Amino acid sequence: ETGVTQTPRHLVMGMTNKKSLKCEQHLGHNAMYWYKQSAKKPLELMFVYSLEERVENNSVPSRFSPECPNSSHLFLHLHTLQPEDSALYLCASSQERDYTGELFFGEGSRLTVL
Amino acid sequence: GIQVEQSPPDLILQEGANSTLRCNFSDSVNNLQWFHQNPWGQLINLFYIPSGTKQNGRLSATTVATERYSLLYISSSQTTDSGVYFCAVEEGGSEKLVFGKGTKLTVNP
Repeated sequence: ETGVTQTPRHLVMGMTNKKSLKCEQHLGHNAMYWYKQSAKKPLELMFVYSLEERVENNSVPSRFSPECPNSSHLFLHLHTLQPEDSALYLCASSQERDYTGELFFGEGSRLTVL
Repeated sequence: GIQVEQSPPDLILQEGANSTLRCNFSDSVNNLQWFHQNPWGQLINLFYIPSGTKQNGRLSATTVATERYSLLYISSSQTTDSGVYFCAVEEGGSEKLVFGKGTKLTVNP
């Protein structure tokens, strides 16, 4: 138990569907992140939020839309995805945005796009 | 940007054996962390170790920042140690963690 919870753990969706991934952290952290892990590739940072403000967007396609309503919750809204978007999506949090400290990950949401 | 190289890419051990995993990085770093990803995808942070040596049970880590490498030692390995071990570093001033490709460890009973 890392204090970061992701739901759902598994998701299968068609290319025309709209779905959302949810992340909740119980650590009192101020920064939250979305990472993408594809087969045979290093973890890729997608989005960073600090105190509910998006501070980084690593050229992620607009079919991925993040939302951070408060410092404890983070969503990733998905629409019109492609099969190559199938991956493990990991949420993480840290005390501050500046990474000087430890990063805590959720268990991940494994997404399959048909 | 900074490059992170982990070796070996794959490692197979018998239960009880010791092992050393290596992480080389191409520039000075403010932050270095080791993570273990279990077969179900969960990433657990093992050490926050930008320099020096730390120990936690059967695991220990050493980072020699001046020589740009870090080592993770696993002693008396157990089957539950199986998974992928990642090294991640933050280049000075970048505020971004860069992950290596990982070392996949398999511990057989």
